[in-house]
Amino acid sequence: EVQLLESGGHLVQPGGSLRLSCAASGFTFSGNAMSWVRQAPGKGLEWVSSISRSGSSTDYADSVKGRFSISRDTSKNTLYLEMSTLRAEDTAVYYCAKPALYFYFDYWGQGTLVTVAS
Amino acid sequence: DIQMTQSPSTLSASVGDRVTITCRASQSISSWLAWYQQKPGKAPKLLIYQASSLESGVPSRFSGSGSGTEFTLTISSLQPDDFATYYCQHYHSVSYTFGQGTKLEIK
Repeated sequence: EVQLLESGGHLVQPGGSLRLSCAASGFTFSGNAMSWVRQAPGKGLEWVSSISRSGSSTDYADSVKGRFSISRDTSKNTLYLEMSTLRAEDTAVYYCAKPALYFYFDYWGQGTLVTVAS
Repeated sequence: DIQMTQSPSTLSASVGDRVTITCRASQSISSWLAWYQQKPGKAPKLLIYQASSLESGVPSRFSGSGSGTEFTLTISSLQPDDFATYYCQHYHSVSYTFGQGTKLEIK
């Protein structure tokens, strides 16, 4: 059974930093690209970032480019999202998502809440 | 970036109704489109991919159609479990934009 378990979300001040983690199990982590998708309170879904199977290729939404960094540790079957210079508008539930054959998402984690406020 | 626009934003319907949700892309995305269902406090669930392919385990009352810039999600006979918010998403190119969502409410 595929499982994605996010952690690391909490309250952080504007301008602060945070690292999210996503522990993956039930599939060949090294054989799959991975992504982060977020959802602000009461709002819709926003793709944030994706990383290739090898980790050599990454993509970011314009809204986070230069502030967020996605990475993966195959030895730990874990996906990361390093977030810096956080803004109030980054407040959201952050989901770890596994792309299927193409970049639609067939498995999602339960999400971790990041709140940026003073 | 490709923009995705769903209509309506809210839809009121009754159990047993046939409902259709529309998603329009700002440029052609061929059939690179997926549909998701999301319930409050839960992660999205994949329903349809490649515009019309039903994800394994999803009831056959859900169907998708369209190509290019206009797509539809149809639920043939609404069940109580179907009242939720539905999102389309393109995967034609980075960024993988979602529509703003359609909330399906009980009439």
